[in-house]
Amino acid sequence: EDQVTQSPEALRLQEGESSSLNCSYTVSGLRGLFWYRQDPGKGPEFLFTLYSAGEEKEKERLKATLTKKESFLHITAPKPEDSATYLCAARLEGKLIFGQGTTLQVKP
Amino acid sequence: ETGVTQSPTHLIKTRGQQVTLRCSSQSGHNTVSWYQQALGQGPQFIFQYYREEENGRGNFPPRFSGLQFPNYSSELNVNALELDDSALYLCASSGGTPGQYFGPGTRLTVT
Repeated sequence: EDQVTQSPEALRLQEGESSSLNCSYTVSGLRGLFWYRQDPGKGPEFLFTLYSAGEEKEKERLKATLTKKESFLHITAPKPEDSATYLCAARLEGKLIFGQGTTLQVKP
Repeated sequence: ETGVTQSPTHLIKTRGQQVTLRCSSQSGHNTVSWYQQALGQGPQFIFQYYREEENGRGNFPPRFSGLQFPNYSSELNVNALELDDSALYLCASSGGTPGQYFGPGTRLTVT
């Protein structure tokens, strides 16, 4: 069965304390691994798409990487405004299969 | 460029009723996907429409149905509402690029 699992479920960091979020996937026919940010009560905001193992993408304090079984979202020197739920999703044909998300809280 | 919009923002319905949710896709996008997101969970794929035809469906019963119009806007209809249908319903549009861009969602509460 196609599945996406994220860990940890929740993460608390101090401002400036770098960390990584994990996304493990078991899917056949992967057509891209997506990362989204979701603020409470809002729709997911697109961050990155990764297609092949070894690929990396960066945006401000965020860097996403991809292996054959996992993706990581590295957060460097986070700020309180980075607090949100981060979702990863595997694309199969046209649909996205989401993990349950990691809720990040960054304290000043 | 206009982003994805959804209406209404919030909705309260009674068990057994029917509901219609609406979505306007981002300019230039011809594909619309609908997702259901329960509290504390990731979104779950309901179905996708491409050029007015259903183009894939998730594990949702037939009482979940949809339409796409010539201007690529879309509707999600849910009949015989159940308490478990309470969720955030998200619409995402795409076209030309692999990314799916989400609207703000409609919060449906079934009592």
